[in-house]
Amino acid sequence: GEDVEQSLFLSVREGDSSVINCTYTDSSSTYLYWYKQEPGAGLQLLTYIFSNMDMKQDQRLTVLLNKKDKHLSLRIADTQTGDSAIYFCAEGDSWGKLQFGAGTQVVVTP
Amino acid sequence: NAGVTQTPKFQVLKTGQSMTLQCAQDMNHNSMYWYRQDPGMGLRLIYYSASEGTTDKGEVPNGYNVSRLNKREFSLRLESAAPSQTSVYFCASSERGGNYGYTFGSGTRLTVV
Repeated sequence: GEDVEQSLFLSVREGDSSVINCTYTDSSSTYLYWYKQEPGAGLQLLTYIFSNMDMKQDQRLTVLLNKKDKHLSLRIADTQTGDSAIYFCAEGDSWGKLQFGAGTQVVVTP
Repeated sequence: NAGVTQTPKFQVLKTGQSMTLQCAQDMNHNSMYWYRQDPGMGLRLIYYSASEGTTDKGEVPNGYNVSRLNKREFSLRLESAAPSQTSVYFCASSERGGNYGYTFGSGTRLTVV
């Protein structure tokens, strides 16, 4: 199957910006997603971007998509302790079936 | 609107016991999925059901069976539990062909001793 790769860990200071990166291999992906998982909870959809877009901004979140390089990133501005979580990148095909990355553990330090 | 409901939330089984994890969604979604999550391994797809009446194997189906009871419910059965099945299990649903992603349940934490 197609692979979605993410770095496993990111440490960031409170108030700084976080950037989580993801690469995918399926060029036919129609949507790309970012999910957040807080400790002991399920995954919650944070945001998504259509494959013909370059950027999407939603409050503190900015998603950048480089389709040529198959690279997706999530930037969190003014990172807070409540942003500590695991973040999953996922690519979706035209049927709506998703392939997930392994997740990036983000730790926010005071 | 409850979304995706999983029961039970926690379970301890002895090796060789059987059990069924239940999942129900109230969003009228066509597709449903079962994942397991293990430390450092992300989410691995066990089985999925693209629509009522169909089920297909995912990445790690061995040791599991599923039933798509109706459009709302998708259950996962462990016939003879093994310690390697100790994991957190997530059910998810989506609209087939939709691009709104998956809605996840809150998970079942299963320990096999």
